[in-house]
Amino acid sequence: GAVVSQHPSWVICKSGTSVKIECRSLDFQATTMFWYRQFPKQSLMLMATSNEGSKATYEQGVEKDKFLINHASLTLSTLTVTSAHPEDSSFYICSARTGGYSPLHFGNGTRLTVT
Amino acid sequence: QQQVKQSPQSLIVQKGGISIINCAYENTAFDYFPWYQQFPGKGPALLIAIRPDVSEKKEGRFTISFNKSAKQFSLHIMDSQPGDSATYFCAAEEGFQKLVFGTGTRLLVSP
Repeated sequence: GAVVSQHPSWVICKSGTSVKIECRSLDFQATTMFWYRQFPKQSLMLMATSNEGSKATYEQGVEKDKFLINHASLTLSTLTVTSAHPEDSSFYICSARTGGYSPLHFGNGTRLTVT
Repeated sequence: QQQVKQSPQSLIVQKGGISIINCAYENTAFDYFPWYQQFPGKGPALLIAIRPDVSEKKEGRFTISFNKSAKQFSLHIMDSQPGDSATYFCAAEEGFQKLVFGTGTRLLVSP
């Protein structure tokens, strides 16, 4: 149980285009999902908290107009990187909990490369 | 105060040896301390976790030791195997609200 699925697992896009990453909780409902970013050989940095049916809460320094988050249902959250630039190239990982006081489970991440 | 300091940055252990990774925190409101294992190109996977009312938790070859007064906790991997070679992250959380990760430890278990 507690499977979090991300799609795509990797994507290459041209500078200036937008990319959408999907995060699904396969066997549970998640009112809250979290989006992390990880640079090579570095730790995970929380970008935003995605709440079903409401606006996402962004961490300090994260551009909300660049990283659009939509949590339209209890099993799906999406992260759209708008007008991507090479510096947006990174490993993006989503996570979710099965309940209020339960461990955080992570997806397998999406490797974004912007050329 | 939200930081979690992790050491060492990298670790090489011989097969069968004990791997020890340490973490320290400042925020005394943290009440949940998980460890995650991450293989290259994959998301982190929960390994083991502990609450501050317990000083030690063991699951198979993995043990967390927790010292509340020192605000430190550590992961011990007994009988380390080459398949344990991965990056390990400690983390801390207050009220299951927002997980704060340590900087990570790259473990290499030599055959």
